[in-house]
Amino acid sequence: GNSVTQMEGPVTLSEEAFLTINCTYTATGYPSLFWYVQYPGEGLQLLLKATKADDKGSNKGFEATYRKETTSFHLEKGSVQVSDSAVYFCAPRDSGGSNYKLTFGKGTLLTVNP
Amino acid sequence: NAGVTQTPKFRVLKTGQSMTLLCAQDMNHEYMYWYRQDPGMGLRLIHYSVGEGTTAKGEVPDGYNVSRLKKQNFLLGLESAAPSQTSVYFCASSYADSDTEAFFGQGTRLTVV
Repeated sequence: GNSVTQMEGPVTLSEEAFLTINCTYTATGYPSLFWYVQYPGEGLQLLLKATKADDKGSNKGFEATYRKETTSFHLEKGSVQVSDSAVYFCAPRDSGGSNYKLTFGKGTLLTVNP
Repeated sequence: NAGVTQTPKFRVLKTGQSMTLLCAQDMNHEYMYWYRQDPGMGLRLIHYSVGEGTTAKGEVPDGYNVSRLKKQNFLLGLESAAPSQTSVYFCASSYADSDTEAFFGQGTRLTVV
């Protein structure tokens, strides 16, 4: 099955700073890769995804590239805003017969100060 | 489109009491999941279901039972609540297609005193 190692926080940045949250995974197959975001008091929601090697997922200024050779899916944003304060989860999803398995990292708490 | 709806949103139980958390999805998803989220622990899978009438144990199933009698509903039961079950509970659902994302409910904050 899959496992995921995600940069643990908390991460505290000033507004307009550059953000990187590292994520590496192990997988027996060829998973699809997801980043979810959890705003305070809410459930997780999809931020972006990539389903094959070298694909770049992007949304709300965030980007992540599916790197099969390094089994990584690092999340980046060039200029964070206070509204980006949330917990971010990296999540590979198995393909094939094990596609019901959802694996989540432990989450990275991001706080952006004005 | 309601998505994934959890009820109740908040509950306080006394030790030994029982309760059922309801999860309903209107997206015709095959798979449904129950997670608990505790500080510093991330999400831990309690039980899951790959289809109507089927359930399976996840990572932390002890003290919980589930049922999926209808495709759109997934119930989580606590037969005899313990303080260790104080947590935030999330339901999620997804299509069987591995390229698609999971959808989460808003959570149920449960306190056992």
